[in-house]
Amino acid sequence: QKEVEQDPGPLSVPEGAIVSLNCTYSNSAFQYFMWYRQYSRKGPELLMYTYSSGNKEDGRFTAQVDKSSKYISLFIRDSQPSDSATYLCAMRETSGSRLTFGEGTQLTVNP
Amino acid sequence: DTAVSQTPKYLVTQMGNDKSIKCEQNLGHDTMYWYKQDSKKFLKIMFSYNNKELIINETVPNRFSPKSPDKAHLNLHINSLELGDSAVYFCASSQTTFGYTFGSGTRLTVV
Repeated sequence: QKEVEQDPGPLSVPEGAIVSLNCTYSNSAFQYFMWYRQYSRKGPELLMYTYSSGNKEDGRFTAQVDKSSKYISLFIRDSQPSDSATYLCAMRETSGSRLTFGEGTQLTVNP
Repeated sequence: DTAVSQTPKYLVTQMGNDKSIKCEQNLGHDTMYWYKQDSKKFLKIMFSYNNKELIINETVPNRFSPKSPDKAHLNLHINSLELGDSAVYFCASSQTTFGYTFGSGTRLTVV
């Protein structure tokens, strides 16, 4: 079983839709949770970063962490065609710097 | 001014050849990484160096050898290339408590 599970999609939504992306994990030592966005033929770029449980909002993006359920989410409001990319969740323990990634979800926002 | 730069961007080579990929970061980060991304977009860590010292060495074939001449550089040398080595290789760097900054990747094709 993988440490981090993420539905690879693909996910296709119309412009303006609310998008929900999710990951589950099995390692209870994970404390730092991240979402990366990767455009085609580019490197992943850090989108959201949260520590432990709770919500974090940045513009149209909201990251949620529920450590009791070992479940994290990324919500995108008013989705735009420019949001079309692969979204990867990533997490790490308190000690060390190793990031463990999910498989990535491919998102297409149709105009 | 690119934060994490890797060269070359594309590499096409024959089976059995030896090749190197170079990576440089100008962020002043202490830790650098090599990740391999397969065709399904799954990112898997290969190596990590902290201040020129190897700290993560995942189960990769001995044909892969990283070298860090200083904390701003981490190169990857691959001997006797095989078809299965075809993938995108990403270099990344980080400071301890934050997420990674990735390079734009090296697309390796072994024919």
